[in-house]
Amino acid sequence: AQSVTQLDSHVSVSEGTPVLLRCNYSSSYSPSLFWYVQHPNKGLQLLLKYTSAATLVKGINGFEAEFKKSETSFHLTKPSAHMSDAAEYFCVVSERRGGYNKLIFGAGTRLAVHP
Amino acid sequence: NAGVTQTPKFRVLKTGQSMTLLCAQDMNHEYMYWYRQDPGMGLRLIHYSVGEGTTAKGEVPDGYNVSRLKKQNFLLGLESAAPSQTSVYFCASSYTGLNTEAFFGQGTRLTVV
Repeated sequence: AQSVTQLDSHVSVSEGTPVLLRCNYSSSYSPSLFWYVQHPNKGLQLLLKYTSAATLVKGINGFEAEFKKSETSFHLTKPSAHMSDAAEYFCVVSERRGGYNKLIFGAGTRLAVHP
Repeated sequence: NAGVTQTPKFRVLKTGQSMTLLCAQDMNHEYMYWYRQDPGMGLRLIHYSVGEGTTAKGEVPDGYNVSRLKKQNFLLGLESAAPSQTSVYFCASSYTGLNTEAFFGQGTRLTVV
């Protein structure tokens, strides 16, 4: 069975500085991986997804993530944080189980951005 | 397109009351899901459906029932609400491919007192 670990429950950065949100997964085969963002009192929005086409994946709003099979990691980065990036971020693994796509969520990382 | 729409957005129930949450999607997705979100626990799958007329249990199905009479709608029912069911509920839908992402509704914040 697959699992997802987000290594930081909270991350705080200053506006204009880089963002790093860490995610490790366990998988017995090539996974599909996603990052979702949830702004306060909103639903989840897809930031980016990895589906084995390229290890460096670019998403919306300047975010990107790199799939590293040797490290079983899929960390999310952004070169320069903006105040509007303050939100909760979820790393998600998709696995095929019982005829449907089971999404396994990490516990989430809350990103705070300070002026 | 509206995407995934949940109603209601907020609800307060007394212990023992019943209610139904409605999820509607206009993307012709086969798969639909109900999740609950609790602090520090990510999202946990309650029930899911792989097509019209089919439903199945997820990780935390106890105390909930679902129905999918029409492809575009997925209903979540609480027959006798308990305080432990206080949570934020999300509906999602997706195509059938493993690499396809799920689309989420805006959520329903339910409080059981």
